[in-house]
Amino acid sequence: KNQVEQSPQSLIILEGKNCTLQCNYTVSPFSNLRWYKQDTGRGPVSLTIMTFSENTKSNGRYTATLDADTKQSSLHITASQLSDSASYICVVSARNNAGNMLTFGGGTRLMVKP
Amino acid sequence: DAGVIQSPRHEVTEMGQEVTLRCKPISGHNSLFWYRQTMMRGLELLIYFNNNVPIDDSGMPEDRFSAKMPNASFSTLKIQPSEPRDSAVYFCASSLSGQGNTEAFFGQGTRLTVV
Repeated sequence: KNQVEQSPQSLIILEGKNCTLQCNYTVSPFSNLRWYKQDTGRGPVSLTIMTFSENTKSNGRYTATLDADTKQSSLHITASQLSDSASYICVVSARNNAGNMLTFGGGTRLMVKP
Repeated sequence: DAGVIQSPRHEVTEMGQEVTLRCKPISGHNSLFWYRQTMMRGLELLIYFNNNVPIDDSGMPEDRFSAKMPNASFSTLKIQPSEPRDSAVYFCASSLSGQGNTEAFFGQGTRLTVV
Protein backbone atom coordinates (compact mmCIF):
# COMPACT_ATOMS: atom_id res chain seq x y z
CA LYS A 1 0.00 0.00 0.00
CA ASN A 2 1.29 3.45 -0.92
CA GLN A 3 2.03 5.52 2.16
CA VAL A 4 3.53 8.90 2.99
CA GLU A 5 4.60 9.73 6.52
CA GLN A 6 5.64 13.15 7.74
CA SER A 7 7.41 14.34 10.85
CA PRO A 8 7.11 16.14 13.09
CA GLN A 9 3.33 16.46 13.29
CA SER A 10 3.68 19.96 14.63
CA LEU A 11 6.47 22.42 15.21
CA ILE A 12 6.82 25.79 16.90
CA ILE A 13 9.79 28.01 16.10
CA LEU A 14 10.77 31.62 16.64
CA GLU A 15 10.73 34.07 13.78
CA GLY A 16 14.07 34.13 11.96
CA LYS A 17 15.01 30.55 12.86
CA ASN A 18 15.43 27.70 10.38
CA CYS A 19 13.56 24.42 10.41
CA THR A 20 13.45 21.14 8.51
CA LEU A 21 10.41 19.01 7.83
CA GLN A 22 10.69 15.34 6.93
CA CYS A 23 8.77 13.08 4.56
CA ASN A 24 9.21 9.32 4.12
CA TYR A 25 7.30 7.45 1.46
CA THR A 26 6.60 4.01 0.10
CA VAL A 27 5.00 4.76 -3.24
CA SER A 28 5.58 2.97 -6.50
CA PRO A 29 6.03 3.40 -9.27
CA PHE A 30 7.36 6.79 -8.20
CA SER A 31 6.61 9.70 -10.49
CA ASN A 32 7.29 12.84 -8.46
CA LEU A 33 7.08 14.38 -5.01
CA ARG A 34 5.59 17.76 -4.21
CA TRP A 35 5.56 19.87 -1.10
CA TYR A 36 2.36 21.82 -0.59
CA LYS A 37 1.70 24.71 1.76
CA GLN A 38 -1.77 25.01 3.21
CA ASP A 39 -2.73 28.23 4.93
CA THR A 40 -5.57 28.07 7.42
CA GLY A 41 -8.92 27.99 5.69
CA ARG A 42 -7.49 27.54 2.22
CA GLY A 43 -6.64 24.70 -0.12
CA PRO A 44 -3.05 23.42 -0.44
CA VAL A 45 -0.77 25.19 -2.91
CA SER A 46 2.30 23.58 -4.49
CA LEU A 47 5.70 24.89 -3.34
CA THR A 48 8.15 22.60 -5.11
CA ILE A 49 8.21 19.47 -7.21
CA MET A 50 10.96 16.86 -7.16
CA THR A 51 11.43 14.21 -9.83
CA PHE A 52 13.47 11.05 -9.56
CA SER A 53 16.65 12.61 -10.89
CA GLU A 54 16.58 15.74 -8.73
CA ASN A 55 18.32 15.93 -5.35
CA THR A 56 17.75 19.53 -4.37
CA LYS A 57 15.45 22.31 -5.46
CA SER A 58 14.97 25.77 -4.02
CA ASN A 59 12.06 28.17 -4.10
CA GLY A 60 13.09 31.31 -2.27
CA ARG A 61 13.58 30.47 1.39
CA TYR A 62 12.27 26.94 0.82
CA THR A 63 14.70 24.16 -0.16
CA ALA A 64 13.49 20.64 -0.84
CA THR A 65 15.72 17.58 -1.03
CA LEU A 66 15.00 14.10 -2.33
CA ASP A 67 16.83 10.85 -1.74
CA ALA A 68 15.17 8.36 -4.08
CA ASP A 69 17.23 5.48 -2.70
CA THR A 70 16.03 5.87 0.88
CA LYS A 71 12.68 7.30 -0.25
CA GLN A 72 13.02 10.38 1.90
CA SER A 73 12.45 14.05 1.28
CA SER A 74 12.94 17.12 3.40
CA LEU A 75 11.75 20.70 3.24
CA HIS A 76 14.07 23.25 4.79
CA ILE A 77 12.79 26.71 5.61
CA THR A 78 15.41 29.39 6.11
CA ALA A 79 14.97 32.58 8.15
CA SER A 80 11.36 31.79 8.97
CA GLN A 81 8.70 34.48 8.83
CA LEU A 82 5.34 34.73 10.53
CA SER A 83 3.68 34.08 7.18
CA ASP A 84 5.33 30.66 7.07
CA SER A 85 2.84 29.51 9.70
CA ALA A 86 0.83 26.87 7.87
CA SER A 87 0.54 23.15 7.30
CA TYR A 88 3.11 21.62 4.96
CA ILE A 89 2.00 18.54 3.13
CA CYS A 90 4.18 16.06 1.27
CA VAL A 91 2.44 14.52 -1.73
CA VAL A 92 3.90 11.66 -3.74
CA SER A 93 2.65 10.83 -7.19
CA ALA A 94 2.57 7.29 -8.53
CA ARG A 95 2.13 6.58 -12.18
CA ASN A 96 -0.65 4.23 -13.19
CA ASN A 97 -2.61 3.48 -16.33
CA ALA A 98 -5.12 6.19 -15.53
CA GLY A 99 -2.50 8.85 -14.96
CA ASN A 100 -0.95 10.10 -11.75
CA MET A 101 -2.29 8.87 -8.42
CA LEU A 102 -1.56 11.13 -5.45
CA THR A 103 -0.78 9.94 -1.93
CA PHE A 104 -0.83 12.62 0.77
CA GLY A 105 1.14 12.74 3.99
CA GLY A 106 -0.56 13.83 7.18
CA GLY A 107 1.19 17.16 7.13
CA THR A 108 3.35 19.13 9.54
CA ARG A 109 1.69 22.06 11.25
CA LEU A 110 4.26 24.84 11.60
CA MET A 111 3.77 27.82 13.84
CA VAL A 112 6.24 30.69 13.69
CA LYS A 113 6.14 32.95 16.74
CA PRO A 114 7.48 36.52 16.97
CA ASP B 1 -8.97 30.71 -15.21
CA ALA B 2 -10.64 31.16 -11.83
CA GLY B 3 -9.19 27.93 -10.53
CA VAL B 4 -11.14 25.08 -8.97
CA ILE B 5 -14.46 26.38 -7.73
CA GLN B 6 -16.31 24.72 -4.89
CA SER B 7 -19.71 25.49 -3.46
CA PRO B 8 -20.93 26.12 -0.93
CA ARG B 9 -17.99 27.43 1.13
CA HIS B 10 -19.76 26.59 4.35
CA GLU B 11 -22.61 24.21 5.06
CA VAL B 12 -24.35 23.58 8.36
CA THR B 13 -26.96 20.87 8.37
CA GLU B 14 -28.84 18.68 10.77
CA MET B 15 -28.05 15.03 11.20
CA GLY B 16 -30.00 12.90 8.75
CA GLN B 17 -30.24 15.54 6.06
CA GLU B 18 -28.85 15.16 2.57
CA VAL B 19 -25.82 17.28 1.71
CA THR B 20 -24.52 17.96 -1.80
CA LEU B 21 -21.12 19.51 -2.40
CA ARG B 22 -20.24 20.87 -5.81
CA CYS B 23 -17.03 21.29 -7.74
CA LYS B 24 -16.06 22.90 -11.02
CA PRO B 25 -12.55 21.82 -12.05
CA ILE B 26 -10.12 23.90 -14.04
CA SER B 27 -11.06 23.90 -17.70
CA GLY B 28 -9.03 21.33 -19.63
CA HIS B 29 -8.09 19.24 -16.61
CA ASN B 30 -9.02 15.59 -16.94
CA SER B 31 -8.51 14.33 -13.39
CA LEU B 32 -10.63 15.29 -10.41
CA PHE B 33 -10.14 14.37 -6.79
CA TRP B 34 -12.39 14.68 -3.74
CA TYR B 35 -10.60 14.89 -0.39
CA ARG B 36 -11.76 15.18 3.20
CA GLN B 37 -9.62 16.93 5.79
CA THR B 38 -9.94 16.67 9.55
CA MET B 39 -7.59 17.54 12.36
CA MET B 40 -7.33 13.91 13.38
CA ARG B 41 -6.81 12.28 9.99
CA GLY B 42 -5.38 15.00 7.77
CA LEU B 43 -6.18 14.87 4.06
CA GLU B 44 -7.88 11.67 2.93
CA LEU B 45 -8.63 10.82 -0.68
CA LEU B 46 -12.29 9.89 -1.10
CA ILE B 47 -12.57 9.33 -4.83
CA TYR B 48 -10.62 10.01 -7.98
CA PHE B 49 -12.05 10.53 -11.49
CA ASN B 50 -10.13 10.40 -14.73
CA ASN B 51 -11.93 11.57 -17.88
CA ASN B 52 -15.19 11.62 -15.88
CA VAL B 53 -14.84 7.95 -14.92
CA PRO B 54 -14.38 6.96 -11.27
CA ILE B 55 -11.00 5.23 -11.03
CA ASP B 56 -10.57 4.70 -7.31
CA ASP B 57 -13.38 5.09 -4.80
CA SER B 58 -11.81 2.98 -2.08
CA GLY B 59 -11.62 6.02 0.16
CA MET B 60 -15.36 6.59 0.22
CA PRO B 61 -16.28 5.89 3.85
CA GLU B 62 -19.53 4.05 3.31
CA ASP B 63 -22.66 3.83 1.21
CA ARG B 64 -23.90 7.14 2.54
CA PHE B 65 -21.29 8.82 0.34
CA SER B 66 -21.65 9.01 -3.43
CA ALA B 67 -19.91 11.06 -6.10
CA LYS B 68 -20.73 11.80 -9.70
CA MET B 69 -19.04 13.51 -12.58
CA PRO B 70 -21.65 13.88 -15.33
CA ASN B 71 -19.32 15.93 -17.51
CA ALA B 72 -15.80 17.34 -17.59
CA SER B 73 -16.77 20.59 -15.92
CA PHE B 74 -18.81 19.47 -12.93
CA SER B 75 -18.75 17.00 -10.07
CA THR B 76 -20.83 16.44 -6.96
CA LEU B 77 -20.21 14.69 -3.67
CA LYS B 78 -23.38 13.69 -1.87
CA ILE B 79 -23.84 12.50 1.69
CA GLN B 80 -27.18 10.94 2.54
CA PRO B 81 -28.00 10.75 5.38
CA SER B 82 -25.40 12.99 6.98
CA GLU B 83 -23.96 12.28 10.43
CA PRO B 84 -22.02 14.48 12.89
CA ARG B 85 -18.82 12.49 12.20
CA ASP B 86 -18.99 13.69 8.59
CA SER B 87 -18.09 17.19 9.79
CA ALA B 88 -14.89 18.15 8.01
CA VAL B 89 -13.51 20.31 5.22
CA TYR B 90 -14.08 18.74 1.83
CA PHE B 91 -11.66 19.69 -0.92
CA CYS B 92 -11.95 19.19 -4.63
CA ALA B 93 -8.80 19.22 -6.75
CA SER B 94 -8.13 18.86 -10.44
CA SER B 95 -5.08 18.11 -12.53
CA LEU B 96 -4.05 17.45 -16.11
CA SER B 97 -3.15 13.79 -15.96
CA GLY B 98 -0.99 12.22 -18.60
CA GLN B 99 1.89 14.66 -18.37
CA GLY B 100 5.04 13.86 -16.44
CA ASN B 101 4.82 16.28 -13.56
CA THR B 102 1.21 17.02 -12.81
CA GLU B 103 0.12 19.40 -10.12
CA ALA B 104 -3.18 19.10 -8.32
CA PHE B 105 -4.90 22.45 -7.95
CA PHE B 106 -7.21 22.69 -5.00
CA GLY B 107 -10.41 24.57 -4.46
CA GLN B 108 -11.04 26.61 -1.34
CA GLY B 109 -12.91 23.76 0.25
CA THR B 110 -16.38 23.33 1.74
CA ARG B 111 -16.53 23.35 5.53
CA LEU B 112 -19.30 20.97 6.50
CA THR B 113 -20.77 20.94 9.97
CA VAL B 114 -23.38 18.33 10.81
CA VAL B 115 -25.18 19.00 14.07
